[in-house]
Amino acid sequence: DVKVTQSSRYLVKRTGEKVFLECVQDMDHENMFWYRQDPGLGLRLIYFSYDVKMKEKGDIPEGYSVSREKKERFSLILESASTNQTSMYLCASSLAPERTEAFFGQGTRLTVV
Amino acid sequence: GNSVTQMEGPVTLSEEAFLTINCTYTATGYPSLFWYVQYPGEGLQLLLKATKADDKGSNKGFEATYRKETTSFHLEKGSVQVSDSAVYFCVPLGAQKLVFGQGTRLTINP
Repeated sequence: DVKVTQSSRYLVKRTGEKVFLECVQDMDHENMFWYRQDPGLGLRLIYFSYDVKMKEKGDIPEGYSVSREKKERFSLILESASTNQTSMYLCASSLAPERTEAFFGQGTRLTVV
Repeated sequence: GNSVTQMEGPVTLSEEAFLTINCTYTATGYPSLFWYVQYPGEGLQLLLKATKADDKGSNKGFEATYRKETTSFHLEKGSVQVSDSAVYFCVPLGAQKLVFGQGTRLTINP
C-alpha cells in the first residue's frame, strides 16, 4: 500500500515563526501536492510538484513556499506564520500520467498563535 | 479549468436508509472521476473511481456511474450504516490536479 506520511499531526507555532511541514511518500510517485482544508471552503491547492526541483503554484500560494530536493519528500514552508494560516494541511502524492488517483497523508493541524 | 458542484450538506439519515449524494462537474475533455471520503480526524481516502464514460465505480456498498451526457457522478448506497458518517468529496482530475469542492457532510443516526 502507498503510504504518505506527514511529520506532525498537530503543531502550535507563534506568529512570525518560520514553519516547516514535511511530507514523505514511499511509492516513487512523481506528483506531490499540498492542500489546506478550512471549514466551508473545502480543500484548496497551495503548491504542487511534478518532479524533483519542479514546482507550480496552486490556487492560494501567497505566504507559502515549497521544496522538493528528493523525489520522496515535499516540504511546505511558511516563511512568517500568521494567524490566518491556522488550518489543516494535507499532503498528497500520485503517479504521473493523468487518470490516476492521489493518496493522502493524515494531515497536520497547524495552529498559529 | 475543471470544477465540481456537489449536493450541499449536511445530510442526516437514519441507519439503513438509501443514500444519494449528487455531483456534477464541468471539465475539458473526459477527466477521471473520484469519490474521496474523510472520516472524523483523518486524512482523505479514495472510496471509488471511474476513468471513462459509463464506467461504474464501487466499493464498500457505494456505487457511482460516470455519466458523460449529464456530466454527473452521483454517489449511491442502498443501506447506510452509522460508520458511513463522514465527509464525501466528488473530485474530477484535470491536468494532473484534483479539483475539490466543499464536500458533503453525512451523518447517520442509529
